[in-house]
Amino acid sequence: EPEVTQTPSHQVTQMGQEVILRCVPISNHLYFYWYRQILGQKVEFLVSFYNNEISEKSEIFDDQFSVERPDGSNFTLKIRSTKLEDSAMYFCASREGFADTDTQYFGPGTRLTVL
Amino acid sequence: GNSVTQMEGPVTLSEEAFLTINCTYTATGYPSLFWYVQYPGEGLQLLLKATKADDKGSNKGFEATYRKETTSFHLEKGSVQVSDSAVYFCALSDLQGGSEKLVFGKGTKLTVNP
Repeated sequence: EPEVTQTPSHQVTQMGQEVILRCVPISNHLYFYWYRQILGQKVEFLVSFYNNEISEKSEIFDDQFSVERPDGSNFTLKIRSTKLEDSAMYFCASREGFADTDTQYFGPGTRLTVL
Repeated sequence: GNSVTQMEGPVTLSEEAFLTINCTYTATGYPSLFWYVQYPGEGLQLLLKATKADDKGSNKGFEATYRKETTSFHLEKGSVQVSDSAVYFCALSDLQGGSEKLVFGKGTKLTVNP
C-alpha cells in the first residue's frame, strides 16, 4: 500500500541553524501539507501546497518557514533560523483530491530537536 | 473558527472492556470528520471517517457516527484489545467551507491492560 515517507526520522540542530525536512508524498496525490506537534500538545496545521503554490498557511508559518516541491516526488519544509520553540514532531501529509477527496494521509514524522 | 473538543485522557481499560471517547466539534460549514490513531513511536494513521450527517465510519471494530444535531463524533469499540493502546485524535476538515486544513482535538491516550 502506498505511503507517505519522511526523512530524517530525527534531526538535532543548534539554534539559529537552517534545517530542511523532507517528505515523499503518495505518488498520485496532488495536495500536500505540513503539520507539527509540540510534545504533549495538539497537532497543528502549518501549510498546504497545491499546484506549486501555497494554498493556505497558519499564523505559525511565518517568514522563517518555506516549502518547496523541487522535483516530481519530494516536498520539503525549510526552517531558516531555528528557535528552541521549533522543537516538535513535524508531519507531512498528502491528499489525492479526486475520488478520495478529503482524506489526508500522514507520514511517520520527523522529530526536530533544537538545542 | 472551527474547533474540536475531545475527551481528555488518559483512559485505562481492561481487555474486552467497552470504549467510548467523546468528541464534539464547532464548524461554520459541513465538515468531514475523522478519527486518527497514533501508535507508540509511529505517525498518524487514519482510523475512520464520515463525510455527512448520520454517516457511520467503521474500521477494526471501531465505530463513530456523525451526529449533526449534537455536533458529535464519538468513537466506540465494543471490546478493546491490548493492541489498541495508542493515542486517538478526533479531527475535522471543511473543504466546502474553503479550508483544507485538518483541525485536531488534543488527543486521548488509551492504555489497555491484559
